[in-house]
Amino acid sequence: DSGVTQTPKHLITATGQRVTLRCSPRSGDLSVYWYQQSLDQGLQFLIQYYNGEERAKGNILERFSAQQFPDLHSELNLSSLELGDSALYFCASSAPSGVYGYTFGSGTRLTVV
Amino acid sequence: GQNIDQPTEMTATEGAIVQINCTYQTSGFNGLFWYQQHAGEAPTFLSYNVLDGLEEKGRFSSFLSRSKGYSYLLLKELQMKDSASYLCAVRDQRSDKLIFGTGTRLQVFP
Repeated sequence: DSGVTQTPKHLITATGQRVTLRCSPRSGDLSVYWYQQSLDQGLQFLIQYYNGEERAKGNILERFSAQQFPDLHSELNLSSLELGDSALYFCASSAPSGVYGYTFGSGTRLTVV
Repeated sequence: GQNIDQPTEMTATEGAIVQINCTYQTSGFNGLFWYQQHAGEAPTFLSYNVLDGLEEKGRFSSFLSRSKGYSYLLLKELQMKDSASYLCAVRDQRSDKLIFGTGTRLQVFP
């Protein structure tokens, strides 16, 4: 157990639907990062939150949004889902400029049918 | 912006040594990380370099040259369980976000 908790582990949904992925960071970590990994692709940075505020944004689609709550857990909302959104979605957390980089959660595998 | 290049695939034999190279171009550098990722699983931390030189940790070593924008991961005494993808990542100086390369898939054969 890495200390970063992601739920659900698997999600199957239809095109056009909306889903919410949840992440609880490791205790004491203030930063949360979301990444998308499509089949045989690298990790694509989506968005970063630090202590409740958005800090950096990557190539995140307008159909996707995220937030970090006062208890530091984060949610990634994906709407108007398309087949191409099927991927592994990872959440990671880190301490500021930590020498260990990120600690990743086990991911949510989203399948859009 | 940032650009990270590493080979797509490599193969090696059990017991051998393999070197996985990574080159990067970045507007703000604050460290280079190597992660291991088995298929369908989360990446796990292997090594971190922020200064030039070699960092050794058991069978794994990582080297960094900031002036050349170059790093490598050296795996010794390869084992079958080392078959995985190895991800090179550069940390952005302003935001702490990690930008990942596409990863190198290593296959270890008996």
